[in-house]
Amino acid sequence: RKEVEQDPGPFNVPEGATVAFNCTYSNSASQSFFWYRQDCRKEPKLLMSVYSSGNEDGRFTAQLNRASQYISLLIRDSKLSDSATYLCVVNIGGNRKLIWGLGTSLAVNP
Amino acid sequence: DAGVIQSPRHEVTEMGQEVTLRCKPISGHNSLFWYRQTMMRGLELLIYFNNNVPIDDSGMPEDRFSAKMPNASFSTLKIQPSEPRDSAVYFCASSLSRGLVETQYFGPGTRLLVL
Repeated sequence: RKEVEQDPGPFNVPEGATVAFNCTYSNSASQSFFWYRQDCRKEPKLLMSVYSSGNEDGRFTAQLNRASQYISLLIRDSKLSDSATYLCVVNIGGNRKLIWGLGTSLAVNP
Repeated sequence: DAGVIQSPRHEVTEMGQEVTLRCKPISGHNSLFWYRQTMMRGLELLIYFNNNVPIDDSGMPEDRFSAKMPNASFSTLKIQPSEPRDSAVYFCASSLSRGLVETQYFGPGTRLLVL
């Protein structure tokens, strides 16, 4: 089993739709969680960290469920510019090594 | 502000040749990470440095790969000899470590094709 698993998609949604991605992780000792965004042929960039209490940044909401070992990302009122690959990232703690999922591809259509 | 700088941006070489990838981290950052990205395996950490010292090189595939960081503003990743299976995008990232896991800032990557 992969350490971090994501549905690769692609998710095709119309503008204005709400879309949610889940990511599961296998190591219960995981301590820090992130969502990064990667545009086609570009480098990954941090979208948001994921906190135990959940957190929101504009149209983006991230949730963490430690009991079930998954994190989620919700995008409301999706824009064309949200089209990208969303990478789920986990840090186990004890070192600074990040474990990356393969990403979920999102295409927002006009 | 300048971000992480990588060179070359593209490299095409023949099997058996030496390849050297270069990275200049963001000024003031004290940690540097080398990653490799492929479709099949995604992003994999090869090695990371803290204050120019290699901390974890467990991701380095084999002895053909080596990395150095002679000073705070420069790092190299060398593949010698290169093989077709080394074809991938190689990213360098830097961060400012304050004890907790911090944001990593990535360079634009080097697209390597080994024929």
